[in-house]
Amino acid sequence: SQELEQSPQSLIVQEGKNLTINCTSSKTLYGLYWYKQKYGEGLIFLMMLQKGGEEKSHEKITAKLDEKKQQSSLHITASQPSHAGIYLCGAESLYNQGGKLIFGQGTELSVKP
Amino acid sequence: GAGVSQSPSNKVTEKGKDVELRCDPISGHTALYWYRQSLGQGLEFLIYFQGNSAPDKSGLPSDRFSAERTGGSVSTLTIQRTQQEDSAVYLCASSLDPAIYEQYFGPGTRLTVT
Repeated sequence: SQELEQSPQSLIVQEGKNLTINCTSSKTLYGLYWYKQKYGEGLIFLMMLQKGGEEKSHEKITAKLDEKKQQSSLHITASQPSHAGIYLCGAESLYNQGGKLIFGQGTELSVKP
Repeated sequence: GAGVSQSPSNKVTEKGKDVELRCDPISGHTALYWYRQSLGQGLEFLIYFQGNSAPDKSGLPSDRFSAERTGGSVSTLTIQRTQQEDSAVYLCASSLDPAIYEQYFGPGTRLTVT
Protein backbone atom coordinates (compact mmCIF):
# COMPACT_ATOMS: atom_id res chain seq x y z
CA SER A 1 0.00 0.00 0.00
CA GLN A 2 1.09 3.54 -0.60
CA GLU A 3 2.62 5.51 2.24
CA LEU A 4 3.40 9.18 2.58
CA GLU A 5 6.17 10.41 4.83
CA GLN A 6 6.33 14.03 5.86
CA SER A 7 9.35 15.86 7.18
CA PRO A 8 9.91 17.43 9.53
CA GLN A 9 7.29 16.17 11.97
CA SER A 10 7.31 19.52 13.72
CA LEU A 11 8.81 22.90 13.08
CA ILE A 12 9.19 26.08 15.10
CA VAL A 13 10.18 29.19 13.19
CA GLN A 14 10.51 32.86 13.95
CA GLU A 15 7.95 35.11 12.31
CA GLY A 16 9.24 36.35 8.98
CA LYS A 17 11.39 33.31 8.27
CA ASN A 18 10.95 30.98 5.31
CA LEU A 19 10.32 27.28 5.72
CA THR A 20 9.85 24.11 3.69
CA ILE A 21 7.85 20.96 4.42
CA ASN A 22 8.44 17.81 2.40
CA CYS A 23 6.16 14.92 1.51
CA THR A 24 7.63 11.74 0.01
CA SER A 25 5.60 8.90 -1.41
CA SER A 26 6.54 5.21 -1.42
CA LYS A 27 4.81 4.83 -4.80
CA THR A 28 4.22 6.86 -7.93
CA LEU A 29 2.27 10.01 -7.27
CA TYR A 30 -0.77 10.57 -9.46
CA GLY A 31 -1.89 13.62 -7.58
CA LEU A 32 -0.81 15.36 -4.44
CA TYR A 33 -2.94 17.49 -2.14
CA TRP A 34 -1.92 19.85 0.61
CA TYR A 35 -4.25 20.60 3.51
CA LYS A 36 -3.92 22.68 6.65
CA GLN A 37 -5.56 21.81 9.95
CA LYS A 38 -5.90 23.89 13.07
CA TYR A 39 -6.37 22.10 16.37
CA GLY A 40 -9.93 20.90 16.80
CA GLU A 41 -10.95 21.86 13.28
CA GLY A 42 -11.36 20.14 9.96
CA LEU A 43 -8.92 20.27 7.08
CA ILE A 44 -8.67 23.29 4.84
CA PHE A 45 -7.73 22.61 1.23
CA LEU A 46 -4.63 24.51 0.12
CA MET A 47 -3.48 23.18 -3.22
CA MET A 48 -3.63 20.26 -5.62
CA LEU A 49 -0.75 19.22 -7.88
CA GLN A 50 -1.21 16.71 -10.67
CA LYS A 51 1.61 17.02 -13.15
CA GLY A 52 5.30 16.47 -12.72
CA GLY A 53 7.10 19.74 -12.29
CA GLU A 54 3.87 21.55 -11.49
CA GLU A 55 4.15 24.48 -9.13
CA LYS A 56 1.29 26.41 -7.57
CA SER A 57 1.21 29.43 -5.32
CA HIS A 58 -1.40 30.95 -3.09
CA GLU A 59 -0.47 34.09 -1.20
CA LYS A 60 2.84 33.19 0.48
CA ILE A 61 2.55 29.44 0.10
CA THR A 62 4.11 27.60 -2.85
CA ALA A 63 3.87 23.88 -3.55
CA LYS A 64 5.84 21.86 -6.08
CA LEU A 65 5.55 18.31 -7.35
CA ASP A 66 8.58 16.27 -8.38
CA GLU A 67 7.22 13.09 -9.94
CA LYS A 68 10.62 11.46 -10.44
CA LYS A 69 11.45 11.84 -6.78
CA GLN A 70 7.87 10.98 -5.82
CA GLN A 71 7.99 14.05 -3.65
CA SER A 72 6.23 17.32 -3.06
CA SER A 73 7.39 20.33 -1.12
CA LEU A 74 5.44 23.13 0.51
CA HIS A 75 7.29 26.38 0.97
CA ILE A 76 6.11 29.30 3.08
CA THR A 77 7.74 32.66 2.56
CA ALA A 78 7.93 35.24 5.34
CA SER A 79 5.94 33.13 7.80
CA GLN A 80 3.26 34.69 9.98
CA PRO A 81 1.50 33.46 13.14
CA SER A 82 -1.56 32.78 10.97
CA HIS A 83 0.43 30.08 9.18
CA ALA A 84 0.63 28.01 12.36
CA GLY A 85 -1.13 24.67 12.26
CA ILE A 86 -0.72 21.12 11.02
CA TYR A 87 0.07 20.66 7.36
CA LEU A 88 -1.00 17.39 5.78
CA CYS A 89 -0.19 15.99 2.38
CA GLY A 90 -2.58 13.57 0.75
CA ALA A 91 -2.27 11.46 -2.38
CA GLU A 92 -4.63 9.68 -4.68
CA SER A 93 -4.46 5.97 -4.13
CA LEU A 94 -5.88 4.89 -7.46
CA TYR A 95 -5.32 6.77 -10.70
CA ASN A 96 -8.51 8.39 -11.97
CA GLN A 97 -10.82 6.04 -10.13
CA GLY A 98 -11.97 8.33 -7.43
CA GLY A 99 -12.10 7.46 -3.81
CA LYS A 100 -9.79 7.72 -0.92
CA LEU A 101 -6.82 9.88 -0.19
CA ILE A 102 -3.83 8.54 1.67
CA PHE A 103 -2.42 11.09 4.10
CA GLY A 104 0.96 11.71 5.64
CA GLN A 105 1.31 12.00 9.40
CA GLY A 106 1.37 15.77 9.27
CA THR A 107 3.85 18.51 10.07
CA GLU A 108 3.06 20.74 13.03
CA LEU A 109 4.17 24.31 12.40
CA SER A 110 4.54 26.91 15.15
CA VAL A 111 5.42 30.51 14.30
CA LYS A 112 6.90 32.58 17.10
CA PRO A 113 6.04 36.29 16.99
CA GLY B 1 -25.18 25.29 4.19
CA ALA B 2 -21.95 26.68 2.88
CA GLY B 3 -19.74 23.85 4.06
CA VAL B 4 -19.72 20.28 5.31
CA SER B 5 -21.38 19.96 8.69
CA GLN B 6 -21.08 17.16 11.20
CA SER B 7 -22.95 16.30 14.35
CA PRO B 8 -22.47 15.93 17.18
CA SER B 9 -19.24 17.86 17.56
CA ASN B 10 -18.37 15.84 20.64
CA LYS B 11 -19.63 12.49 21.84
CA VAL B 12 -18.73 10.65 25.01
CA THR B 13 -20.07 7.13 25.28
CA GLU B 14 -19.59 4.09 27.43
CA LYS B 15 -17.81 1.05 26.12
CA GLY B 16 -20.29 -1.32 24.51
CA LYS B 17 -22.81 1.33 23.48
CA ASP B 18 -23.72 2.10 19.87
CA VAL B 19 -23.13 5.56 18.40
CA GLU B 20 -24.27 7.34 15.26
CA LEU B 21 -22.31 10.13 13.65
CA ARG B 22 -23.90 12.36 11.05
CA CYS B 23 -22.46 14.16 8.05
CA ASP B 24 -24.22 16.74 5.91
CA PRO B 25 -22.15 17.33 2.75
CA ILE B 26 -22.05 20.40 0.56
CA SER B 27 -25.18 20.56 -1.55
CA GLY B 28 -24.61 19.04 -4.98
CA HIS B 29 -21.51 17.07 -4.01
CA THR B 30 -21.93 13.50 -5.21
CA ALA B 31 -18.95 11.99 -3.41
CA LEU B 32 -18.76 11.68 0.37
CA TYR B 33 -15.88 10.32 2.43
CA TRP B 34 -15.40 9.28 6.04
CA TYR B 35 -11.97 9.41 7.67
CA ARG B 36 -10.74 8.80 11.18
CA GLN B 37 -7.96 10.76 12.87
CA SER B 38 -6.31 9.43 15.98
CA LEU B 39 -3.00 9.86 17.76
CA GLY B 40 -0.39 7.58 16.36
CA GLN B 41 -2.49 6.60 13.33
CA GLY B 42 -2.83 9.89 11.53
CA LEU B 43 -5.71 10.34 9.14
CA GLU B 44 -7.19 7.04 7.93
CA PHE B 45 -9.71 6.47 5.19
CA LEU B 46 -12.83 4.56 6.25
CA ILE B 47 -15.40 4.55 3.46
CA TYR B 48 -16.41 6.46 0.36
CA PHE B 49 -19.83 7.02 -1.21
CA GLN B 50 -20.67 7.86 -4.77
CA GLY B 51 -24.31 8.84 -4.59
CA ASN B 52 -25.90 6.34 -2.22
CA SER B 53 -23.59 3.44 -3.01
CA ALA B 54 -20.24 2.71 -1.39
CA PRO B 55 -17.68 1.53 -3.99
CA ASP B 56 -14.91 1.45 -1.41
CA LYS B 57 -15.41 0.23 2.15
CA SER B 58 -11.87 -1.00 2.49
CA GLY B 59 -11.00 1.23 5.42
CA LEU B 60 -13.73 0.12 7.82
CA PRO B 61 -11.75 -1.44 10.69
CA SER B 62 -14.29 -4.10 11.65
CA ASP B 63 -17.85 -5.25 11.09
CA ARG B 64 -18.88 -3.08 14.04
CA PHE B 65 -18.55 -0.12 11.68
CA SER B 66 -21.16 0.61 9.04
CA ALA B 67 -22.27 3.63 7.07
CA GLU B 68 -25.13 4.60 4.87
CA ARG B 69 -26.09 7.52 2.73
CA THR B 70 -29.62 8.40 1.75
CA GLY B 71 -30.94 10.67 -0.95
CA GLY B 72 -27.43 11.26 -2.18
CA SER B 73 -26.96 13.66 0.70
CA VAL B 74 -26.72 12.99 4.44
CA SER B 75 -24.58 10.12 5.64
CA THR B 76 -24.54 8.31 8.96
CA LEU B 77 -21.58 6.38 10.33
CA THR B 78 -22.63 3.84 12.95
CA ILE B 79 -20.30 2.16 15.39
CA GLN B 80 -21.78 -0.75 17.30
CA ARG B 81 -20.52 -2.02 20.65
CA THR B 82 -17.95 0.76 20.89
CA GLN B 83 -14.47 -0.02 22.18
CA GLN B 84 -11.92 2.33 23.68
CA GLU B 85 -9.75 2.05 20.57
CA ASP B 86 -12.63 3.63 18.61
CA SER B 87 -11.89 6.94 20.35
CA ALA B 88 -10.83 9.38 17.64
CA VAL B 89 -11.96 12.34 15.61
CA TYR B 90 -14.21 11.22 12.76
CA LEU B 91 -13.99 13.51 9.76
CA CYS B 92 -16.35 13.68 6.84
CA ALA B 93 -15.50 15.21 3.47
CA SER B 94 -17.34 15.73 0.22
CA SER B 95 -16.33 16.51 -3.32
CA LEU B 96 -18.22 17.59 -6.40
CA ASP B 97 -17.23 14.41 -8.21
CA PRO B 98 -14.93 11.50 -7.32
CA ALA B 99 -12.78 12.37 -10.31
CA ILE B 100 -12.28 15.82 -8.84
CA TYR B 101 -10.30 15.16 -5.72
CA GLU B 102 -10.65 18.51 -4.03
CA GLN B 103 -12.33 17.25 -0.90
CA TYR B 104 -13.92 19.69 1.51
CA PHE B 105 -13.80 18.58 5.13
CA GLY B 106 -16.21 19.08 7.98
CA PRO B 107 -15.09 20.05 11.50
CA GLY B 108 -15.25 16.46 12.71
CA THR B 109 -16.87 14.59 15.58
CA ARG B 110 -14.65 13.86 18.56
CA LEU B 111 -15.65 10.47 19.94
CA THR B 112 -14.50 9.40 23.38
CA VAL B 113 -15.25 5.89 24.57
CA THR B 114 -14.92 5.49 28.33
